[in-house]
Amino acid sequence: QVQLVESGGGVVQPGRSLRLSCAASGFSFSSYGMHWVRQAPGKGLEWVAVMSYDGSYKYHVDSVKGRFTISRDNSKNTLYLQMTSLRAEDTAVYYCAKDSGNLNSLDYWGQGTLVTVSS
Amino acid sequence: EIVLTQSPGTLSLSPGERATLSCRASQSVSSSYLAWYQQRPGQAPRLLLFGASSRATGIPDRFGGSGSGTDFTLTISRLEPEDFAIYYCQQYGSSPPVTFGPGTTVDIK
Repeated sequence: QVQLVESGGGVVQPGRSLRLSCAASGFSFSSYGMHWVRQAPGKGLEWVAVMSYDGSYKYHVDSVKGRFTISRDNSKNTLYLQMTSLRAEDTAVYYCAKDSGNLNSLDYWGQGTLVTVSS
Repeated sequence: EIVLTQSPGTLSLSPGERATLSCRASQSVSSSYLAWYQQRPGQAPRLLLFGASSRATGIPDRFGGSGSGTDFTLTISRLEPEDFAIYYCQQYGSSPPVTFGPGTTVDIK
């Protein structure tokens, strides 16, 4: 069965960096695009970034462009989100999600990892 | 950028009742690229419908979707206790590739 397990969250001071990881199993990781989606406490879902199956295409939402970078290592079945210059408004649960492969939906989600940006 | 709005913000219903949730897009969206998700308290979102009306794996047939262009609807024919949750619509576009609506909360009346 498909499993996505995020890690790397925690409490970090404003301006510092953090790297999130998402370990994937149960499917052919190198064949699917992958996403990061975040959810601030008590708020809705905000899509953050996507990377194509082979890493040749990536896109970040404007609010994180220049600060966050999505990447993947297909040999390790792992997706990453490098976050720099963190701000209080980046505080959220970060989910990784698998693309369905048909460019229409995110069909499997991890349980999320909480990032808290606070001094 | 395509903006999605959802209505109502909160829907208060009783178990067994029918729920009708709306998702409206600021520009026309291909129905192929419209999806719905359910999020129960403390859980990750779960894909319910893709292509506006196709149920994802394991989703019961009381969940249905319809719509085209800028107006889409999620219908839950008879609410079960586990259906009280937040529902999000999502579209796959170009810049940015993915956007979500603000969500509709279905709570117990």
